[in-house]
Amino acid sequence: NAGVMQNPRHLVRRRGQEARLRCSPMKGHSHVYWYRQLPEEGLKFMVYLQKENIIDESGMPKERFSAEFPKEGPSILRIQQVVRGDSAAYFCASSATWGTPEKLFFGSGTQLSVL
Amino acid sequence: AQTVTQSQPEMSVQEAETVTLSCTYDTSESDYYLFWYKQPPSRQMILVIRQEAYKQQNATENRFSVNFQKAAKSFSLKISDSQLGDAAMYFCAYSSLIQGAQKLVFGQGTRLTINP
Repeated sequence: NAGVMQNPRHLVRRRGQEARLRCSPMKGHSHVYWYRQLPEEGLKFMVYLQKENIIDESGMPKERFSAEFPKEGPSILRIQQVVRGDSAAYFCASSATWGTPEKLFFGSGTQLSVL
Repeated sequence: AQTVTQSQPEMSVQEAETVTLSCTYDTSESDYYLFWYKQPPSRQMILVIRQEAYKQQNATENRFSVNFQKAAKSFSLKISDSQLGDAAMYFCAYSSLIQGAQKLVFGQGTRLTINP
């Protein structure tokens, strides 16, 4: 049973380009969470999605950032017109149910570097 | 809003000795979870130990144990018989049952070095 898969592991973009980060949750998991880790900081919650629905996006920046989790395929975190301050590690986590924190599984993250 | 504070940016310990990592948090809620996660250089977030706030007994997982002081809002991690593989960043985290148990609030982390 593969874990949470994130790709790419490293992504380099120039300022103004778009970044697309993908997350395939564990098999059977329909809840996906995205977190961002800035250098030398802890992870910060961005968004919580279920299949085809955004449940909580209270941690998402208001502009340039969007997330989706379609009925088929991986969850996508999209950052438009990237700036240097977007450089961070972006983690995805998944769970089969809501409300069971011990059943939350993290991917290995995507390191985004903006030149 | 809940906050989690780790006041030790770095800690070091001799192999086979014991080390304690500190964590304090702020919340007005009575039911919540507390966690310690380990992040090695591979970046993988690994759950080390979990504590439910309603449980008075401190959680233990093999060489890892916590000292949970609810009134003081303190949640320290003790690692006994430290091993080289314990070297990593350690993050304390909080989650609220009301706001979603998987919406974690993390501290800034403590980098643990194990000296052979």
